[in-house]
Order: sequence, then C-alpha cells, then structure tokens
Amino acid sequence: AQTVTQSQPEMSVQEAETVTLSCTYDTSESNYYLFWYKQPPSRQMILVIRQEAYKQQNATENRFSVNFQKAAKSFSLKISDSQLGDTAMYFCAFLVVSGAGSYQLTFGKGTKLSVIP
Amino acid sequence: NAGVTQTPKFRILKIGQSMTLQCTQDMNHNYMYWYRQDPGMGLKLIYYSVGAGITDKGEVPNGYNVSRSTTEDFPLRLELAAPSQTSVYFCASSYWDSSPYGTEAFFGQGTRLTVV
Repeated sequence: AQTVTQSQPEMSVQEAETVTLSCTYDTSESNYYLFWYKQPPSRQMILVIRQEAYKQQNATENRFSVNFQKAAKSFSLKISDSQLGDTAMYFCAFLVVSGAGSYQLTFGKGTKLSVIP
Repeated sequence: NAGVTQTPKFRILKIGQSMTLQCTQDMNHNYMYWYRQDPGMGLKLIYYSVGAGITDKGEVPNGYNVSRSTTEDFPLRLELAAPSQTSVYFCASSYWDSSPYGTEAFFGQGTRLTVV
C-alpha cells in the first residue's frame, strides 16, 4: 500500500517570508503523480501544484514551488512571499497510475500553516 | 459550471439510522472517490470507482457501501449509523489522463455528518 507522511502538524511563518512544508511517500511503483492541496477554513480543497514522477524538473506555480527528490521519495512545498491568504491546511497527496493500488488518491495527515502579520 | 455537487451539506443522524450521501459530477470524469475527514486530520479513502459499474474499497470501507450505475453519480450509503461515523465527507472526481485538466482531482464542498 502507498503511504504519504507529513511530519509537521503545524507551522507558522511571518508574512512575506518563505516556508517549506515536508512530505515523504512510499511506493514501489514508478509511474505516479504528486500533489499539494490547500484547504482553507471554507473546507474547499484547492489544488496548489502537481508533479509528474517522470519529470525531473521541479514544478512551479507563481509563489509555490516543489523540491521533488525521487530517489529519496521526498516532495516538499516551498511558499515564497507568504501572504495572509495562504493560511490553511496543506495536504500532500499521491496517485499511482499503474500496478498495485492504481488510481487510489492517497493523502497525508496535513500541515496547518499560519501566516502571521 | 457545477463541477462536483454533494448533498446534503449538513445532516444529523441518530444511531442506527441509515442515509445516502449524494455525489454528482458533470465533467464526464471516469474516476470518482469518497473520503472522510475527521477533525484536524487528513482525508481517508472510503471507496473509489474507476468507471460505471466498477467500485473498490479504500482504506476505511467498513460501515459504508457505494454503487456507480452511471458516470455522473456515485452515492455513498451509510447503514446503521454509529458515532464513529461523525465526520466531514468529501466526494471527488477526475479524468486522470494527459489532458490539461486530466491530472487534478476536483472536490465537492463536503457533507458534515453528525451521529448522535
């Protein structure tokens, strides 16, 4: 079974500073996707960024970027120039598209991020 | 542009009652999911479906049942509700293909269920 581990239950960052959220995963498959989802107090799940495992280049979306280390099975999210609207729960998620457990979208337990004015 | 629609948004059940959480998507997605989210926790997969007529268990299927008779609908049935099923339930769907929006799961707004 695939597992996703987020080791930081809570984090805080000063507005305009940079913060990195950690995520590790475990799988024996080679074809998969990784995601970071944001869940603000509204409860809506919002995709922040995604990474295809076959791509070596790290994904970037505006202020959000990832550090994807395939050999280490690590997928961290960096938020630059943090804004008050970034305050939310952040979930790392993982999807295998071949082999055992295909298409089971698996989530970590989340990291609660607070941006401090 | 409805996306994924869940009903109801809130529900209180008594122990032993049954109910069905409805989920409909209008994006012609083949993959659909049901999750539960307990307070302060992540999303745990209950059941998922890779297409009409095909369903499979996730991490926490006990106490739940699903069906997928059409591409659009993926209802979740709770039989004999228990306090342990108090949670927020999310439905999600996706294509999971190489199209621009094919590698993103779209979520409904959630159903907050309390069993008393």
